[in-house]
Amino acid sequence: DVKVTQSSRYLVKRTGEKVFLECVQDMDHENMFWYRQDPGLGLRLIYFSYDVKMKEKGDIPEGYSVSREKKERFSLILESASTNQTSMYLCASSLSLYGYTFGSGTRLTVV
Amino acid sequence: TQLLEQSPQFLSIQEGENLTVYCNSSSVFSSLQWYRQEPGEGPVLLVTVVTGGEVKKLKRLTFQFGDARKDSSLHITAAQPGDTGLYLCAGVPLPGNTGKLIFGQGTTLQVKP
Repeated sequence: DVKVTQSSRYLVKRTGEKVFLECVQDMDHENMFWYRQDPGLGLRLIYFSYDVKMKEKGDIPEGYSVSREKKERFSLILESASTNQTSMYLCASSLSLYGYTFGSGTRLTVV
Repeated sequence: TQLLEQSPQFLSIQEGENLTVYCNSSSVFSSLQWYRQEPGEGPVLLVTVVTGGEVKKLKRLTFQFGDARKDSSLHITAAQPGDTGLYLCAGVPLPGNTGKLIFGQGTTLQVKP
């Protein structure tokens, strides 16, 4: 069964900390995505990547960076966590335009 | 600008009732997808519709893509408590097919036993 695995289901971090969210897929997909999901705002794209070492900004990249050193791994980095980055973070991968496979999400709380 | 508008936003019904969720846009989409998300989990792909006018069935769920490829609907027949969840439509708008999905805001469905 194909999988996207996010390293943590729940995280609590302090304001100003550097936070790493890890995502690994076992489907050999080229495309990987990071979204955040907030009530009333839906899913918003933070960053995406179409290939190793390649990254593109999504709709809300401010305060975030990403790393894709290997095809199967796409990391989201919060350089200096702030309370407004408290959210559900979802990683997804896809082979084509016809469907994303999502991870189970990481619920991040910044205090 | 919200390219995909879902309605209704919330729906609470009794087991056995039928319902329809709508996903509308003024933009044309190369395809539209429907996902279901349960609390604390990521969205799970239910179906992708590609051709204008296409109808797909998944057990009690019927998905339709509008003829002009600007809208889609999800109809559930005889809803069950297991259908409870957040339903999301998503699509890749044309022109400029970048492969990035645009998501609707979602419809929260509660089916009471």
